Amino acid sequence: GAVVSQHPSWVICKSGTSVKIECRSLDFQATTMFWYRQFPKQSLMLMATSNEGSKATYEQGVEKDKFLINHASLTLSTLTVTSAHPEDSSFYICSARVRSGRSYNEQFFGPGTRLTVL
Amino acid sequence: QQQVKQSPQSLIVQKGGISIINCAYENTAFDYFPWYQQFPGKGPALLIAIRPDVSEKKEGRFTISFNKSAKQFSLHIMDSQPGDSATYFCAASRPNKLVFGAGTILRVKS
Repeated sequence: GAVVSQHPSWVICKSGTSVKIECRSLDFQATTMFWYRQFPKQSLMLMATSNEGSKATYEQGVEKDKFLINHASLTLSTLTVTSAHPEDSSFYICSARVRSGRSYNEQFFGPGTRLTVL
Repeated sequence: QQQVKQSPQSLIVQKGGISIINCAYENTAFDYFPWYQQFPGKGPALLIAIRPDVSEKKEGRFTISFNKSAKQFSLHIMDSQPGDSATYFCAASRPNKLVFGAGTILRVKS
């Protein structure tokens, strides 16, 4: 159980184009989904937190107009990188928090999406 | 206050040996301490986690030791295997936010 999928697993795009990444919780409903960014040999950095049906909360320094997040249902969140530039190239990982009676923040991660902007 | 300090940065262990990774935190509001294992090009996978009301948790070859007064916790991998070679991240959580350590690259030599 607690499987999270991401699509696509990798994407190459030209500078200036927009890219959409999907994150799905396959066998559970997610109260909250999270989007992280990871550069090579570095740790995960939280970009934003999204709750179903409400606006995402972005971390300091993350441009909300550049990284659009939509959390349409309890099993789907999307991240759209708008007008992508080479510096946006990174490994984007989503996670989902189980919608249950748990008070603690147990998150399950997707397999990640490698974005390369040429 | 929000940082989690993880050490060592990298670790080489012989097959069958014990791998030990340490983490320290400052914020006493953290209420959940998971460890994640990440292979290259993959997302992190939850390995084992502990709540602060417990001093130790064991699952198979993996053990978390938790010292609440010292604000430290550690991961012990017993009988380390080459397949355990990966990057390990500790994390500390308060509601709706995970704070990750910098990661430890573990290599188990056969």
